[in-house]
Amino acid sequence: AQSVTQLDSQVPVFEEAPVELRCNYSSSVSVYLFWYVQYPNQGLQLLLKYLSGSTLVESINGFEAEFNKSQTSFHLRKPSVHISDTAEYFCAVSRMGNTGKLIFGQGTTLQVKP
Amino acid sequence: DAGVTQSPTHLIKTRGQQVTLRCSPKSGHDTVSWYQQALGQGPQFIFQYYEEEERQRGNFPDRFSGHQFPNYSSELNVNALLLGDSALYLCASSSGTHKNIQYFGAGTRLSVL
Repeated sequence: AQSVTQLDSQVPVFEEAPVELRCNYSSSVSVYLFWYVQYPNQGLQLLLKYLSGSTLVESINGFEAEFNKSQTSFHLRKPSVHISDTAEYFCAVSRMGNTGKLIFGQGTTLQVKP
Repeated sequence: DAGVTQSPTHLIKTRGQQVTLRCSPKSGHDTVSWYQQALGQGPQFIFQYYEEEERQRGNFPDRFSGHQFPNYSSELNVNALLLGDSALYLCASSSGTHKNIQYFGAGTRLSVL
């Protein structure tokens, strides 16, 4: 079975500051990793994914995440945040293969202050 | 190109009633997964439908059932509603060849009184 731990429930940060949202996972098999973002009263939007290849993956809006197999981590980073990045962020894992069952962490609330 | 659409957006029911939630997948997708998101929690996997059959199921009781139609749309049914069933129900669609890459709808907010 897989599990996901998001180490911070809330991360307050000032606008234009860098941010890191931490995600660790546990699995006895190889996995795929995902970050989703949820704005208030909306569904989840896929932010980025790691399936294979380069361990550093990037999104179109400046976020990046690095897969670290030895530390079983997939932390999300952004060098300079905007007010509009305020949202709930979820890390998710699925076992490798075409299974489709995502296991989510509890979420991290990113609060960007002016 | 429409994304994943869910209806209704909000629903209020009383304990013991039954509810049906609906989902239309993104164009080109044939797999639908359902998740329950309680307040302040991450989504939890309920089940997945592909080729009109339930393919995987999470740790949910038999009160939760579903269906997939030939046009790939899907329904989630919950019988004998409990207060604890109050949550945001999310539908996610994916292609049969990439079931793990899922796109979510805005969800149905179910309140059980």
